[in-house]
Formats: sequence, C-alpha cells, structure tokens
Amino acid sequence: NAGVTQTPKFQVLKTGQSMTLQCAQDMNHEYMSWYRQDPGMGLRLIHYSVGAGITDQGEVPNGYNVSRSTTEDFPLRLLSAAPSQTSVYFCASSYVEASEQYFGPGTRLTVT
Amino acid sequence: ILNVEQSPQSLHVQEGDSTNFTCSFPSSNFYALHWYRWETAKSPEALFVMTLNGDEKKKGRISATLNTKEGYSYLYIKGSQPEDSATYLCASFTGTDKLIFGTGTRLQVFP
Repeated sequence: NAGVTQTPKFQVLKTGQSMTLQCAQDMNHEYMSWYRQDPGMGLRLIHYSVGAGITDQGEVPNGYNVSRSTTEDFPLRLLSAAPSQTSVYFCASSYVEASEQYFGPGTRLTVT
Repeated sequence: ILNVEQSPQSLHVQEGDSTNFTCSFPSSNFYALHWYRWETAKSPEALFVMTLNGDEKKKGRISATLNTKEGYSYLYIKGSQPEDSATYLCASFTGTDKLIFGTGTRLQVFP
C-alpha cells in the first residue's frame, strides 16, 4: 500500500494563478480531509469529505474548492492564488470520520 | 468551530525526565479525542484515539488519559528520550464530522 500520496511536493505560484493539489489513498478510506499548516496555527481544516460525492467546509474554506468523484481521490483546487495561501498543505484519510487519520507527506506552496 | 487548546506550547526536558502535556476541548457533543506525534519534516502519526470517559491508553513509555465530562486529556511520557523530541498534537472530533486540532506542544529532550 502506498498509503496517502500527495503531488506536487513543492510548488511556487504567482498571485492570481490557479492550480490543483492532488491527493490519493489506496486504503479504501471513506473520510478524507485537507489541512493547512501555518507557524503558530497548528493544522487548520480546509475541506473534508465523508464519502464519494459528499464534501463540506472546514474552518478555513475560502479560496479553495474540492470534489470527491471517487473514494480514492480528493483534489484541492486553489481558484486564484493569494500570498495568504502560502502554507504547507496536508491531505489525510481515515476509515471513518472519527478514526485515526493517515497523513500524506505534504505540499509546500509558496505564492508570490 | 471548536477551540482545542494545548499547554504548554513548548517544553525542554533532560533525558530521563518524565513529562506531561494537557489538551482541553469543549465537552459538549464529544465523540473522540486524538493524539498525534509530529516529527520535524515528517507527517503527523497517530498515537491514540480515545472515546470513553476515563479511558486510558498506553504505547510503550507514552500514555494518555481522557476526561470527557470536564473536557481534558493528558499525555504522559515516562523517562523521556531524545527520540521523543517532536510536536504532540491533540484533536477533538464532535458529531459535526470535523476533526479540529490544537496548536500542539513542542517537546525537546536534551541528552
């Protein structure tokens, strides 16, 4: 099992550009989520999904879109990148909502 | 959105010392409390998932307790080792499907 994979590992964007951060898991987990990690802020929930076709907003959803067309994939889209979105992004999955989370390796995004 | 708070923010201890951290969370609609260990340049890894009031879990030298009525959990490390140096995160899950993390306690263990 590859577990939770994320691509790319690093990305630099200019303000206003859009891009998609990819996340995939091969553990047949129902619950998937995206977090951003900023210094002094811990992990903040952006969006989450309790199963294919179902997504919902977390603590800091503005500027991000998600979709969950398959159980395996949960991409995060930045619609128009802003410097405030410079962060490290972690995707996580779990068997069901409250069970232990398995984290991907993270994507470090810089917006200039 | 919940407030999950952890204290202290950081801790420096000598090898062999025992230490503990606190996680406080809103006790209403409680469903589960998670503890994660996060080493620098790696991803968080789960230590414990706790659901029942009075629950105690142990993994090697690390243990945790849970009080859901008053909304707190303690993580204990017995005989700290340099390899225990990491940030320890707790997260609270209520019935709203959201897992909300605290900002973590950063532990450094000096030889």
